[in-house]
Amino acid sequence: DIQMTQSPSSLSASIGDRVTITCRASQSITSSLNWYQHKPGKVPELLIYAASNLQSGVPSRFSGSGSGTEFTLTITSLQPEDFATYYCQQSFTTPHTFGQGTRLETK
Amino acid sequence: QVQLQQSGPGLVKPSQTLSLTCAISGDTVSSGTAAWHWIRQSPSRGLEWLGRTYYRSMWFTDYGASVKSRMIIKRDTSENHFSLHLQSPTPEDSAIYYCARGIFYDTTGYDAFDIWGQGTLVTVAS
Repeated sequence: DIQMTQSPSSLSASIGDRVTITCRASQSITSSLNWYQHKPGKVPELLIYAASNLQSGVPSRFSGSGSGTEFTLTITSLQPEDFATYYCQQSFTTPHTFGQGTRLETK
Repeated sequence: QVQLQQSGPGLVKPSQTLSLTCAISGDTVSSGTAAWHWIRQSPSRGLEWLGRTYYRSMWFTDYGASVKSRMIIKRDTSENHFSLHLQSPTPEDSAIYYCARGIFYDTTGYDAFDIWGQGTLVTVAS
């Protein structure tokens, strides 16, 4: 199975900050990497697909980059509604594995 | 607007089969541009992909290794739903179970979970 490792596991930030989360795959997954936001009591929401494509309706302060084994999710100008847990997920091959999550908390 | 509506019991005994159904509206289970997935979340395992079914001239089904020997995904084209059936569940199978649509965003076969069911908290206990 392809292992997905996110860093950091948790992150404290303030409104207006720029935040970067990294996701590394144990082998190349080309650009088949997706990012999700998950808030307590809600279902996960797709933010970025295919490493860098913004899902319809997602604010443009979210962006993704990377290919191969290293990927990043960047949030520019953090907003109050962005405090949540973020997951990366590869769809290169089954099983479609997820990272362990990065919890973004208010500083 | 595509929606997924989950149904099924929240409490299952270890001697029973854990069965959940995901009803699709706004799309079809035999869509050529989507796959239909089951995913679960627990504190110990995080988000865990369980399996998928999809149609590309014929039906395909894949399972995750941790459930492959115990799990079956069924689909019903007349009712437009798909279902999960997990045999001999243990307390370790207690989790929030989600169904999700994996939309194929290009011709490579890679997909992303753009629509999720509401989630079902399942507890396995006697």
